[in-house]
Amino acid sequence: DIVMTQSPDSLAVSLGERATINCKSSQSVLYSSNNKNNLAWYQQKSGQPPKLLIYWASARESGVPDRFSGSGSGTDFTLTISSLQAEDVAVYYCQQYYSTPYTFGQGTKLEIK
Amino acid sequence: EVQVVESGGGLVQPGRSLRLSCTASGFTVADYAMSWVRQAAGKGLEWVGFVRTKVDGGTTEYAASVKGRFTISRDDSKSIAYLQMNSLKIEDTAVYYCARLGGHPRLNTFDIWGQGTVVTVSS
Repeated sequence: DIVMTQSPDSLAVSLGERATINCKSSQSVLYSSNNKNNLAWYQQKSGQPPKLLIYWASARESGVPDRFSGSGSGTDFTLTISSLQAEDVAVYYCQQYYSTPYTFGQGTKLEIK
Repeated sequence: EVQVVESGGGLVQPGRSLRLSCTASGFTVADYAMSWVRQAAGKGLEWVGFVRTKVDGGTTEYAASVKGRFTISRDDSKSIAYLQMNSLKIEDTAVYYCARLGGHPRLNTFDIWGQGTVVTVSS
């Protein structure tokens, strides 16, 4: 199984500042046939289901604000929120869909400083 | 509106069975693989399994923790996916989410989620 490890476990950032969350996979999730990384990011606000933010490591889902961006390749990935807004308080999860069992990181709790 | 709605959760004793339903609307469910993801209270997300489309064989994949006990099926005529849970254990207690597996280009991501249904396994 591919193990996904996020860092940090929690993060406090001031409004308007940059937030960066890291995700590392235990093996590469780069799909050689299309050169795409099978890595997604989700946002889960308190009491709500998760919401897809990013797929293919860097493709923003429709309707997701452009302050959210994803980067990385192979085994190391980053979710960046360029200018933190109050509504971004949530737990963020990375997930690999390279192979089953699909696996999630443990989550990173993002709060306002 | 594209959505999925779960139902069937509740309190069940260890060793017993429960069937969850996921009713889809706003899209042609036959065109999508359907999955279940669970989340224990205060914990992270755990993929449970999925059922492929009939075009892709309608086959299933499961997490090791539920394989042999849980069965995912689909009835495209009713736009419903099911999660049959047998031999339930206390550690199966969680919110169970139904999630659509996205089509191109977001293939195999969970692009539509329901609000979840709570399953509590306790004596």
